[in-house]
Amino acid sequence: EPEVTQTPSHQVTQMGQEVILRCVPISNHLYFYWYRQILGQKVEFLVSFYNNEISEKSEIFDDQFSVERPDGSNFTLKIRSTKLEDSAMYFCASREPGLAGGPYETQYFGPGTRLLVL
Amino acid sequence: AQKVTQAQTEISVVEKEDVTLDCVYETRDTTYYLFWYKQPPSGELVFLIRRNSFDEQNEISGRYSWNFQKSTSSFNFTITASQVVDSAVYFCALSEPLLNFGNEKLTFGTGTRLTIIP
Repeated sequence: EPEVTQTPSHQVTQMGQEVILRCVPISNHLYFYWYRQILGQKVEFLVSFYNNEISEKSEIFDDQFSVERPDGSNFTLKIRSTKLEDSAMYFCASREPGLAGGPYETQYFGPGTRLLVL
Repeated sequence: AQKVTQAQTEISVVEKEDVTLDCVYETRDTTYYLFWYKQPPSGELVFLIRRNSFDEQNEISGRYSWNFQKSTSSFNFTITASQVVDSAVYFCALSEPLLNFGNEKLTFGTGTRLTIIP
């Protein structure tokens, strides 16, 4: 069964360093997402991406964050200058187009990257 | 704004008991989808079910069943004859269409940590 994959599974970095989290969505999916989950808290939406551009982003997704689909298969989240409060589990998700191009198809999540900023 | 409330933070039951996880949602949309995801100790998010706002029929899948009641804005999840492998955090989520129609984000509840005691 196709699945979303993410690398690395764990990343430890120093505050102020740049990190890139990588995701390979399911191959026929066209909509891509990043969510994050601070330890013990709920999962929060960061950004959605479609047709090579950001569809929507949350207040959390400030100028330090960027997303890219560099090669048609990978989908990356970059944090330019990490802060302590960026420590969280980051989930990538993807979904196929809905009927008539609409929403509401199921978003399938990757296993997550646990980021720790020291 | 969308909101999902899972009032039960933690539940513990003895193996083989039935358990119900509550989910109450708020939305102004007439068309929406509700989801349940399971997060086992390994951390990934596993899709369990998707239900649209026009389908109030209860659903059963093996030991799992879901009760959707639009009148009370609830989408409860019952596990019958619980097993130790059911121990996980369970999240209820609500889809919210974004400004760019054809895309949406998920709003998650805070989750219920279910522990099945052998």
